[in-house]
Amino acid sequence: DADVTQTPRNRITKTGKRIMLECSQTKGHDRMYWYRQDPGLGLRLIYYSFDVKDINKGEISDGYSVSRQAQAKFSLSLESAIPNQTALYFCATSLGGGNNEQFFGPGTRLTVL
Amino acid sequence: QQPVQSPQAVILREGEDAVINCSSSKALYSVHWYRQKHGEAPVFLMILLKGGEQMRHEKISASFNEKKQQSSLYLTASQLSYSGTYFCGTAYSGAGSYQLTFGKGTKLSVIP
Repeated sequence: DADVTQTPRNRITKTGKRIMLECSQTKGHDRMYWYRQDPGLGLRLIYYSFDVKDINKGEISDGYSVSRQAQAKFSLSLESAIPNQTALYFCATSLGGGNNEQFFGPGTRLTVL
Repeated sequence: QQPVQSPQAVILREGEDAVINCSSSKALYSVHWYRQKHGEAPVFLMILLKGGEQMRHEKISASFNEKKQQSSLYLTASQLSYSGTYFCGTAYSGAGSYQLTFGKGTKLSVIP
């Protein structure tokens, strides 16, 4: 079984709809991250969380919100989706400390029409 | 600030070598390298810490030049399986040292 899972894997929605992307992990890691990937732009950090009570904005947090329901679960919400939020979204986890290797989920492809 | 990767793309024949560079304008704490194959998630290759040694993953190695704030990824005797997009992720000294900023990626294609 995958250590980091994301649901849904694909989603098509309309402008203005509220969307939630979910991430679960069985690695026991405290740190979780949400990135979006656009062609030619690399991975950009949206939000990150170092534990359940610690939520931080990343580089491109506008238009997004997150919830850390438990150590193992980190959700990303788009309150009112817009077409330029069409992208591939990745969740990642890391143990922390000096070796901050990140483990990525399989990704969610979101299309906003 | 996003690190700058070069080249943007490279095509190699099997057995050839390549170097991918990652440069930052800010003082680096660490540099991560990831590889992403088409349609898949990025996968960690190695991390280089400030003051640390050169690292190796199979026939791929990397170095970290603190003076130049630059890391280089060396792919030796490339194999078809090396094809993919390589990303460097940089962490900066200070409170955000565990937050990675990724470059735009270098697309590597290895052909027979």
